[in-house]
Amino acid sequence: QKEVEQNSGPLSVPEGAIASLNCTYSDRGSQSFFWYRQYSGKSPELIMFIYSNGDKEDGRFTAQLNKASQYVSLLIRDSQPSDSATYLCAVPIKAAGNKLTFGGGTRVLVKP
Amino acid sequence: DAGVIQSPRHEVTEMGQEVTLRCKPISGHDYLFWYRQTMMRGLELLIYFNNNVPIDDSGMPEDRFSAKMPNASFSTLKIQPSEPRDSAVYFCASSQLGKAYNEQFFGPGTRLTVL
Repeated sequence: QKEVEQNSGPLSVPEGAIASLNCTYSDRGSQSFFWYRQYSGKSPELIMFIYSNGDKEDGRFTAQLNKASQYVSLLIRDSQPSDSATYLCAVPIKAAGNKLTFGGGTRVLVKP
Repeated sequence: DAGVIQSPRHEVTEMGQEVTLRCKPISGHDYLFWYRQTMMRGLELLIYFNNNVPIDDSGMPEDRFSAKMPNASFSTLKIQPSEPRDSAVYFCASSQLGKAYNEQFFGPGTRLTVL
């Protein structure tokens, strides 16, 4: 089992709809979880992080964490064509300090 | 702040040649990371430094790869000799421990093509 797994997509959503992305992780000791967005040909940029079980909202983005089930989700509300990108889930490896392990990413396509 | 700076942005070289990638982290950041990204393997951590000291190089694929950080504002990743399978985008990232979260800031990347 990979340490961090994501569906590669593409996830195609119509403009204005909700995009739902999932990420599962293997390390039960993981305490923090990150979502990075990467536009084609660009570098990853952090858009959300979450520590506690439950939901965290930031604008049109909501991160959801369920530590018991070892998954973290990202919801994008009112999806816009500018949200078309690859979204990377990242989880620090507990035993290695500040070392992030990235999932393979989910490609999202928002169609006007 | 200018962000993480990488050079060159693009590098095309022939198999067997030495390649040196450069990175300047954000001032004040005490962690520096080198990643490689390919379609097949995604984003992989190669090595990271804390306060200029290499902490974990378990991701370095083989002895052809080496990395140095002679001071807090400069790091290099060297491949010698290069091979076509080294073709990838190489990212440098930096972060500052002690923040509420360990956000890593990525540079623009170096696209390496080995012919």
